[in-house]
Amino acid sequence: SQELEQSPQSLIVQEGKNLTINCTSSKTLYGLYWYKQKYGEGLIFLMMLQKGGEEKSHEKITAKLDEKKQQSSLHITASQPSHAGIYLCGADRFSGGYNKLIFGAGTRLAVHP
Amino acid sequence: DGGITQSPKYLFRKEGQNVTLSCEQNLNHDAMYWYRQDPGQGLRLIYYSQIVNDFQKGDIAEGYSVSREKKESFPLTVTSAQKNPTAFYLCASSIKWGVDEKLFFGSGTQLSVL
Repeated sequence: SQELEQSPQSLIVQEGKNLTINCTSSKTLYGLYWYKQKYGEGLIFLMMLQKGGEEKSHEKITAKLDEKKQQSSLHITASQPSHAGIYLCGADRFSGGYNKLIFGAGTRLAVHP
Repeated sequence: DGGITQSPKYLFRKEGQNVTLSCEQNLNHDAMYWYRQDPGQGLRLIYYSQIVNDFQKGDIAEGYSVSREKKESFPLTVTSAQKNPTAFYLCASSIKWGVDEKLFFGSGTQLSVL
């Protein structure tokens, strides 16, 4: 099982609709990151959250980290076809003697006009 | 423009063959990383380098090798010992190694076995 669980695995929405993607961990999250990936391309950094209760927005995308720092959500308002892609959450994790950035399996988003 | 360049975009490997994936960055970043992405799974760390002339194994290093002779370059060799190499490979870099470091990614290389 993934250390970071993302839900839903995939999502199809009509253009203009709002949507939410979740990222959950059984451990406290430190340095929670959201990335977007277009199919067959690299990852583009969206936002990083560090403090419990923190919320950040960029254009129509808002990310939140809960107070317990175990869950983050990514909310897109008035979705557009340009929002389509794979959204991945990542988190800093210290394991095996070194720090690494681990990722969830991703949420595939399709936006239909 | 600064960024990370991966090449080739597509690569095919024959049985018993070693292949090398290129990763070059002009961001002046100290740390570089190689990740493997399989369908339906998150990215998994293969190797990372905190600084030039240094590199460390990640979670799935078996069957792979790297070098870091120059700050700008971090090539990944997929050896014949890697029995399931078909995957999308992503190279990344960050200003330095550690927590709270944003990673910048290349556009990836899709490796397939003939």
